[in-house]
Amino acid sequence: DGGITQSPKYLFRKEGQNVTLSCEQNLNHDAMYWYRQDPGQGLRLIYYSQIVNDFQKGDIAEGYSVSREKKESFPLTVTSAQKNPTAFYLCATGTGGAVTQNEQFFGPGTRLTVL
Amino acid sequence: AQRVTQPEKLLSVFKGAPVELKCNYSYSGSPELFWYVQYSRQRLQLLLRHISRESIKGFTADLNKGETSFHLKKPFAQEEDSAMYYCALSGQGDDKIIFGKGTRLHILP
Repeated sequence: DGGITQSPKYLFRKEGQNVTLSCEQNLNHDAMYWYRQDPGQGLRLIYYSQIVNDFQKGDIAEGYSVSREKKESFPLTVTSAQKNPTAFYLCATGTGGAVTQNEQFFGPGTRLTVL
Repeated sequence: AQRVTQPEKLLSVFKGAPVELKCNYSYSGSPELFWYVQYSRQRLQLLLRHISRESIKGFTADLNKGETSFHLKKPFAQEEDSAMYYCALSGQGDDKIIFGKGTRLHILP
């Protein structure tokens, strides 16, 4: 698999520290997304971006922040304000636009554990 | 409100038996429906979407607008079908996809 990389695979942080998760893509996709995957909760959208220098809040944006300075990169910062940060985080890309192109492609994920 | 409901968290089926993973949706416009799959230690990936009307790995799914359902079916389960399955929905012109909570399919030998 290539195309979308997330690093690191596992991340441990102390409570109260901010942490940034990396997501890089070489698929030349305009849209990028961050999801949180918890058992029994499915995928919940945190933030998404359709174009460079623009992004929108998803359903559970509180305690998170993002930036989209380059088309290839969409880092996610988990701040100390996030009350329950321990989770599996998935980055995805999409071609966006027309209905027939609304497929998303996923990275391998980062498992964040806050101690 | 847009919503995707997968009523079963876990579905256990014997090898060779038929499989049906249920998905119901709520959407006021014209939806596009997807099934995504996540095999153990692999990335989440698209399995099929209703607009393609194709069969992938023996799975099919028909959009039933009257019942607002998009159930995933396979006539004969195989052990390699064991995975987490997510039903998802997007609307025309939407810039995001809504996922259900997922159903874990366990194929028994």
